[in-house]
Amino acid sequence: NAGVTQTPKFQVLKTGQSMTLQCAQDMNHNSMYWYRQDPGMGLRLIYYSASEGTTDKGEVPNGYNVSRLNKREFSLRLESAAPSQTSVYFCASSELSGRNYEQYFGPGTRLTVT
Amino acid sequence: QQPVQSPQAVILREGEDAVINCSSSKALYSVHWYRQKHGEAPVFLMILLKGGEQKGHEKISASFNEKKQQSSLYLTASQLSYSGTYFCGTYVQGAQKLVFGQGTRLTINP
Repeated sequence: NAGVTQTPKFQVLKTGQSMTLQCAQDMNHNSMYWYRQDPGMGLRLIYYSASEGTTDKGEVPNGYNVSRLNKREFSLRLESAAPSQTSVYFCASSELSGRNYEQYFGPGTRLTVT
Repeated sequence: QQPVQSPQAVILREGEDAVINCSSSKALYSVHWYRQKHGEAPVFLMILLKGGEQKGHEKISASFNEKKQQSSLYLTASQLSYSGTYFCGTYVQGAQKLVFGQGTRLTINP
């Protein structure tokens, strides 16, 4: 039981390049999330998927797109990377979305955009 | 709107107690607490729900004051393993998602 897995662990991009961050969970959770973490800013929600087939914007969605490929997988795409997107990206999942469901986080992807 | 945590950082000796606070400007439906060790993912500690229900870690206690729109996490007889950054996350009235505070860095020294 791996929990939440993310690939890649590290990535360096040049400004303007694109890439997709992959996330998968094996806990049969319905809801999945993408966060970014910057020093002193805490965790900020980029996009989330309350259930398979639905996606919604979070606090900081600009410059990102997501795809809920199936119940297990939720990917985050940067179409044209910018230095401001240098961050640590965490994927998380929960049984359901809502105030009484804890979230389980993946190990993170450290992205640097030069 | 992001909840505000205080203090931003605290340094203790092993065995001492700590209190971390989380305040919101809006009415809260629930407060989540997570701990993140350096270079690792956040890990769930507990949830406090409006109405008094709690779920989560047996060895960590917390309070939820609905009227004051704040929660406090109590770490008693701290151990070296308690070191890390603690985040609160809040569900406010009308919102559909968890919003995290900026974190409180806790350092426990021997």
